[in-house]
Amino acid sequence: EDQVTQSPEALRLQEGESSSLNCSYTVSGLRGLFWYRQDPGKGPEFLFTLYSAGEEKEKERLKATLTKKESFLHITAPKPEDSATYLCAVQAANYGGSQGNLIFGKGTKLSVKP
Amino acid sequence: GAVVSQHPSRVICKSGTSVKIECRSLDFQATTMFWYRQFPKQSLMLMATSNEGSKATYEQGVEKDKFLINHASLTLSTLTVTSAHPEDSSFYICSAMGAGTSLGTQYFGPGTRLTVL
Repeated sequence: EDQVTQSPEALRLQEGESSSLNCSYTVSGLRGLFWYRQDPGKGPEFLFTLYSAGEEKEKERLKATLTKKESFLHITAPKPEDSATYLCAVQAANYGGSQGNLIFGKGTKLSVKP
Repeated sequence: GAVVSQHPSRVICKSGTSVKIECRSLDFQATTMFWYRQFPKQSLMLMATSNEGSKATYEQGVEKDKFLINHASLTLSTLTVTSAHPEDSSFYICSAMGAGTSLGTQYFGPGTRLTVL
């Protein structure tokens, strides 16, 4: 069964304290892995798309990496405004539903204290 | 780029009335749009997928007669909650994917908070 697991469920950091969020997945064939940020009461904001193992993408303090089994979202020197829930989702190549369907993890709630 | 809007952002209605939510892709053509529902502290639950000009595909357990979806153009999809009841109160979010954007990537709207009294 296709599955996405994110860890930890919640993470508290001090401002400037770097860390990583994990997204492990089991899918029959990976078409793409996506990272989103969601603030309370808002829709998910797109961060990164990764397509193949070894791929890395960066944006400001965030860096996403991908292996054949998992993805990491590295946060370098976080600031309080980075506080949000970070969602990981995968698109399976052999998913029986409609094309483009995403399988979401439950998210990691990040809190960054000043 | 790749901006998706939703209207209204929040709506309160009486039980038994119908509510329409609009989802628009502002700067790209959305060949496929998705509608999600999100309960507090839970992840997104896909309700249906729609391609422009064709009937929506509903996920198992989603009543197609209750949640009417229309994808009439490449930039607009609507979700109508018919005869709404308190249990339909939720956060509804649309997403879109299409030409000129990152392959396979869904871009989400800001969401609509529906409260049925």
